[in-house]
Amino acid sequence: AQRVTQPEKLLSVFKGAPVELKCNYSYSGSPELFWYVQYSRQRLQLLLRHISRESIKGFTADLNKGETSFHLKKPFAQEEDSAMYYCALSGSGGNEKLTFGTGTRLTIIP
Amino acid sequence: SQTIHQWPATLVQPVGSPLSLECTVEGTSNPNLYWYRQAAGRGLQLLFYSVGIGQISSEVPQNLSASRPQDRQFILSSKKLLLSDSGFYLCAWSVSGLEQYFGPGTRLTVT
Repeated sequence: AQRVTQPEKLLSVFKGAPVELKCNYSYSGSPELFWYVQYSRQRLQLLLRHISRESIKGFTADLNKGETSFHLKKPFAQEEDSAMYYCALSGSGGNEKLTFGTGTRLTIIP
Repeated sequence: SQTIHQWPATLVQPVGSPLSLECTVEGTSNPNLYWYRQAAGRGLQLLFYSVGIGQISSEVPQNLSASRPQDRQFILSSKKLLLSDSGFYLCAWSVSGLEQYFGPGTRLTVT
């Protein structure tokens, strides 16, 4: 069974400080991992996915298969980063169903 | 460009009444379609997904059902609502790639 765990429901960080949103997963095969973000009054949207290995809005996430983690990081938080962040997993083999974590609400303190 | 619509945006229904939430996608053909429920503290739960007209897979047993009468139309229904059906319902679509695109959602309150 697929499972995604985001241990922090709420996270507050000062502007300019580093940010790390934790995500751990459970999956027997080779997963595809994603981070989705929902800004205030906006739709849920894709932030980044591990297969792209790119940085979006200063955020990066590295898939660590040994620790089964996919933590989201940003070296210097900005006020516009305040949002709800969801980690999600999709199974391999063309299975496009996403399993989401419970989400972390990130608040950047000015 | 592709767009996804959901309606209504908000809905208040009494217990025992029927439900019909509609989702339509524009600008793409043969999308995969999904219904999620977003509940506080529980994240997004996949309810149904569809890979084609008339093809519906249910992820969790519940009081709800889904139908796909047309290629780009996905409907979430219930014959008799329960209090526990209250929540925020999201429709999403994807095509071949792994990114899912979400609609604006419907806030359902069952009283």
